[in-house]
Amino acid sequence: QVQLQESGAGLVKTSETLSLTCSVSGGSILNGAYYWSWIRQSPAGGLEWIGYIYYTGNTYYNPSLKTRITMSIDTSKNQFSLRLTSVTAADTAVYYCARCMTTVTDNWFDPWGQGTLVTVSS
Amino acid sequence: QPVLTQPPSASASLGASVTLTCTLSSGYSDYKVEWYQQRPGEGPRFVMRVGPGGTVGSKGGGIPDRFSVLGSGLNRYLTIKNIQEEDEGDYHCGTDHGSGSTFVYVFGSGTKVTVL
Repeated sequence: QVQLQESGAGLVKTSETLSLTCSVSGGSILNGAYYWSWIRQSPAGGLEWIGYIYYTGNTYYNPSLKTRITMSIDTSKNQFSLRLTSVTAADTAVYYCARCMTTVTDNWFDPWGQGTLVTVSS
Repeated sequence: QPVLTQPPSASASLGASVTLTCTLSSGYSDYKVEWYQQRPGEGPRFVMRVGPGGTVGSKGGGIPDRFSVLGSGLNRYLTIKNIQEEDEGDYHCGTDHGSGSTFVYVFGSGTKVTVL
């Protein structure tokens, strides 16, 4: 079964860039049936979709974050990555990667990684 | 885009039933919703999907038959029968909207379920 694991810096300074990588095991990131997603959870508990990337490199970002986001994919390593620039305390969250199941009309996330806490501090 | 509203908390005694509600904003009564379970200290797990006519597709892996869904109007329900301690946690609903460059996925604020 497919498993996802996030990795990256747990502490980022204000105004700098957050960088995370998601490693996929048990399945190929080249499978065209899926998109590969980032979702974050604030300390208050709410979930926010950040965006997702297809194996071709096509990306779709949350409009509220799109000016600060870059996602990339490395098919040779079966990994995909997130960069979020100009971070503030509001970007402090647990960041999850997840596989997005996609049909013609629907999208949903299954499975998810265990998450990684990123704290933004000066 | 749609807004999803969830009550902050719900509780049930061990072995009883509890029904969680996710309410779509006006104008989105034909939308499907996904339910996700998040146990304490874990990442979310897909439970199942529900549309206005009820269940859509299959349950997530390992989700017991005690979990069922129902759709009515703007409301999407998740019922847990014979609730167990392992069912305690946060339950989030989500839905997608738009396509291509206008695509967005939105979540409700989550309901914390306590097993008494």
